[in-house]
Parts: sequence; structure tokens; C-alpha cells
Amino acid sequence: GAGVSQTPSNKVTEKGKYVELRCDPISGHTALYWYRQSLGQGPEFLIYFQGTGAADDSGLPNDRFFAVRPEGSVSTLKIQRTERGDSAVYLCASSELLNTGELFFGEGSRLTVL
Amino acid sequence: GDSVTQMEGPVTLSEEAFLTINCTYTATGYPSLFWYVQYPGEGLQLLLKATKADDKGSNKGFEATYRKETTSFHLEKGSVQVSDSAVYFCALSDLTGNTPLVFGKGTRLSVIA
Repeated sequence: GAGVSQTPSNKVTEKGKYVELRCDPISGHTALYWYRQSLGQGPEFLIYFQGTGAADDSGLPNDRFFAVRPEGSVSTLKIQRTERGDSAVYLCASSELLNTGELFFGEGSRLTVL
Repeated sequence: GDSVTQMEGPVTLSEEAFLTINCTYTATGYPSLFWYVQYPGEGLQLLLKATKADDKGSNKGFEATYRKETTSFHLEKGSVQVSDSAVYFCALSDLTGNTPLVFGKGTRLSVIA
């Protein structure tokens, strides 16, 4: 597709369950970012990849959160033992080059933990 | 750490009114500054940017000037349209330091005909 694609668009799960959120970036974009946006807040940085490797994962809140990008394209954000506080919109973005500040965002995956 | 503070919304304006959304920042280095916009049902997209002091970014009739002396990057538009209704986010990044974008909380703008 032409833009960043995220699936699922909505996910409702129960506390304690495992969740995977997928991001398909714009073709050819080497940098990929994950952000989290809670209600009434701006996007909060989680992790970014340059190619296959995580260049900066300092925003991951704890070890229940993990992200991979095994082939340098699609990325999966994995959340173990979900908690109600994990409820948010998870945003993925990609950019052609690192550090231009011009990110192309997907529409996000809304996660609700009951 | 680096941070961005922007005016709280929502902001409601009539069509053709003048818009200002205030944004100030705190940064240890010399960041680049950005405005992103999120239209209803769409992902965030870059509206404009400025990479050094006194630079003016502009796009779609919107402007913002990087003011180092006041650490500000206020967004302005002379005459808003209903189609400008969206959430606007101010952001900064130290591009030389490989730091990711840091966003403000966003300001919701509603323009009524």
C-alpha cells in the first residue's frame, strides 16, 4: 500500500493476555518507530528501528513490552500479561531516512484491556 | 529531558478567523521543531518544520517561526477553514543526536461555518 498500515485497528483483550500489534511501513523506509498515545496526550516514544536492529528502545515502559523487525520491513509490537494501564492507541511510523523528523504515521491500533 | 508545552484546547473558531496555537519547548541542545496535524480518521502527518533559529516553516497557509530567545514555535494561520478542523501537535527532535520526536499533548481545533 501507499501508506503505513497497522493491524488490527481495534483490539479488545482481557487483563493478563498476550497481544501482538503489526506494522507494515512504507516500502523502502528503513526507519520504523512505535509510539503510544493515551487519551488526551501526545504520542509517547517507545522504540525505533534502523533496519532490523532496535536503535533505541529506551521508551519501552517495562519488560512486558517487546518489538521485533526481523527482515527490516514489517514490525510487531508484543505485549505480555497485559494490564488495564496498557490501554491506548499504539502508533507506528516510518521514515525514509533516520533523523529527518519527517515521520509517516499509520492510523494506529487501539488497544483496550478489560 | 526535552519537552514541549502547547496550549490546551479545544479551540473553536469561526471560518476566516485568525488562528494562533502556542508552543514552547525545553531542550538542552539545538532541536529542530515541527508541527504535526491529525485530521479525523487519519494518521498524524507533518505540517511544517524549522531546523534552526529564526527559520520560518510554512505549509497550507500555516506558518511558525523558530524563536530561540523565547523558546517558542507558535502556529499561525490568517484565515482558517472548516477543513482545518483537526488536532495539532507541536514536536521537537535533536536530529544531530539521534533522538526521537518528542510531542506535546495536542490542541484540538474546531472551525465552524
